[in-house]
Amino acid sequence: SQKIEQNSEALNIQEGKTATLTCNYTNYSPAYLQWYRQDPGRGPVFLLLIRENEKEKRKERLKVTFDTTLKQSLFHITASQPADSATYLCALSYPGEKLTFGTGTRLTIIP
Amino acid sequence: DAGVIQSPRHEVTEMGQEVTLRCKPISGHNSLFWYRQTMMRGLELLIYFNNNVPIDDSGMPEDRFSAKMPNASFSTLKIQPSEPRDSAVYFCASSPRGGTSGVETQYFGPGTRLLVL
Repeated sequence: SQKIEQNSEALNIQEGKTATLTCNYTNYSPAYLQWYRQDPGRGPVFLLLIRENEKEKRKERLKVTFDTTLKQSLFHITASQPADSATYLCALSYPGEKLTFGTGTRLTIIP
Repeated sequence: DAGVIQSPRHEVTEMGQEVTLRCKPISGHNSLFWYRQTMMRGLELLIYFNNNVPIDDSGMPEDRFSAKMPNASFSTLKIQPSEPRDSAVYFCASSPRGGTSGVETQYFGPGTRLLVL
């Protein structure tokens, strides 16, 4: 079965710097890869979706890349702010199959 | 739109008791998902419905777990009898289209935090 690894459980970044989170998967490449944000005591909130034939997707200060050769997605937050502190989840999906989530990376932006 | 609504938000019960979690999806959404989240295992899909019909329940851990969706605006997840290892946060999510096209966004509720003593 597909295994998803997010680089670390916790990541601390200085405010203003770029935060980079990693999502690695095994086996076959997913058709789609999604990133969600989860705040304490709340459900995950969708941020971005990238397809396997797309190399990069941007939304405001967020950027996601998808490298099917490395079997990896990178999630970047530029000019990070304390309000960006949260847990970020990646999720893989294939047509006809359910969405599979990673365990998440807890990001803390230090003022 | 109020988003996905779950109740109760917190539930504390004793081992052996029946627990019923409730979910109201976003109006107009065709798919509904039940997830369980723990520190050890992360977010796991238990079951999902499309147009009120259960499509995939392979994630339901045991016969003690059951889920129903009697209509498009309501679903329940029941645990009977409950055990301490069932302690987790249970999320309900809904999606506008069929659940496994791959591109649909899932909208999560706030979750029910369950503690079984």
